[in-house]
Amino acid sequence: AQSVTQLDSQVPVFEEAPVELRCNYSSSVSVYLFWYVQYPNQGLQLLLKYLSGSTLVKGINGFEAEFNKSQTSFHLRKPSVHISDTAEYFCAVLNTGNQFYFGTGTSLTVIP
Amino acid sequence: NAGVTQTPKFRVLKTGQSMTLLCAQDMNHEYMYWYRQDPGMGLRLIHYSVGEGTTAKGEVPDGYNVSRLKKQNFLLGLESAAPSQTSVYFCASSPRTGRNEQFFGPGTRLTVL
Repeated sequence: AQSVTQLDSQVPVFEEAPVELRCNYSSSVSVYLFWYVQYPNQGLQLLLKYLSGSTLVKGINGFEAEFNKSQTSFHLRKPSVHISDTAEYFCAVLNTGNQFYFGTGTSLTVIP
Repeated sequence: NAGVTQTPKFRVLKTGQSMTLLCAQDMNHEYMYWYRQDPGMGLRLIHYSVGEGTTAKGEVPDGYNVSRLKKQNFLLGLESAAPSQTSVYFCASSPRTGRNEQFFGPGTRLTVL
């Protein structure tokens, strides 16, 4: 079975500062990688995904992530955060059996 | 399109009571999933379905049953609720073809007293 590790459970950051949310996964032959965002009292929404091709993936709301196969990582970044980015962020892996595995989440708090 | 909808949004049960959570999707997706979300544990898969009339166990299936009688609906049942089943439940769906993301419903907050 796959496993997904989000190294930071909580990340506080000041408004307009850069942020990186870390995600590592257990290695496999082929995996597909996703980042989801969950705003308070809502379901999960897709931020971005890596299926193949360029290792730098751009998503919505100015977020991007880089797939690093040698380090089995898929870290999420944003160069300048806004108050509205305060939310829970989940990294997920989709294996070749079409089953998703989610990390435990990182709570991003943007401080004014 | 409404996407994925869940009924009810909130529910309080007493230990031993039963209930059914309904998930509906209007995107003609083949795959549907039920997750529970607990603090510090992320999302854990309860059961899933790869098509009408088929279901399979996920990571934490004990105490739950599911049915997929129609392609657009996926029901999650609790026959005898326990306090350990207090959680937020999310339904999701995805198409069969390609490596596509899952689309999530808004969640059902269940409290078992």
